[in-house]
Amino acid sequence: NAGVMQNPRHLVRRRGQEARLRCSPMKGHSHVYWYRQLPEEGLKFMVYLQKENIIDESGMPKERFSAEFPKEGPSILRIQQVVRGDSAAYFCASSPGYLWREAGNTIYFGEGSWLTVV
Amino acid sequence: AQSVSQHNHHVILSEAASLELGCNYSYGGTVNLFWYVQYPGQHLQLLLKYFSGDPLVKGIKGFEAEFIKSKFSFNLRKPSVQWSDTAEYFCAVKVDTGTASKLTFGTGTRLQVTL
Repeated sequence: NAGVMQNPRHLVRRRGQEARLRCSPMKGHSHVYWYRQLPEEGLKFMVYLQKENIIDESGMPKERFSAEFPKEGPSILRIQQVVRGDSAAYFCASSPGYLWREAGNTIYFGEGSWLTVV
Repeated sequence: AQSVSQHNHHVILSEAASLELGCNYSYGGTVNLFWYVQYPGQHLQLLLKYFSGDPLVKGIKGFEAEFIKSKFSFNLRKPSVQWSDTAEYFCAVKVDTGTASKLTFGTGTRLQVTL
């Protein structure tokens, strides 16, 4: 849904640099999900956040990856010291809260950020 | 652990052909199922969802899916595809962990419709 805004849409980083991906949820939504889509693979859950709180980070790699959703501003997925294997599409989705039925029983995806590590 | 399997990785059809994409899930809890479509370079769009009630679910753009509990399946169908249906299709199951809900996706099926 166009209401979830992600930027940048495309990002190129050299190995060892940092990548920061931003996600602004739909208006009225306070919960954000991050997913990663590797080539020829489906979307893999990474992390689920509400403002100022990480709810579920079971899909986050143990090192180099972090996510936050501050009280003000967008959610940020940060990848430190990027490697070629981090090249992927990163999708953000939002919901108004724990109860999906508040949003018609679904979550809404942004258009994705494509990270290329060279 | 929950999982979703999509057995067809790449499907090529001619326009007007009928479509059926397979989706099987493995999850022991209450099942909520989804089909999403991703057009090239775009975000995921919801095609249809099943939460309860009639197991035959109708979605947008003429798509439908049938939930068959005994087969753990939620196959996507369309009687007559169009060239504009060329896209990648993802099946997903909603998982409730007590503190959070999240979607677990299959690996996707790439549909190519030829004229």
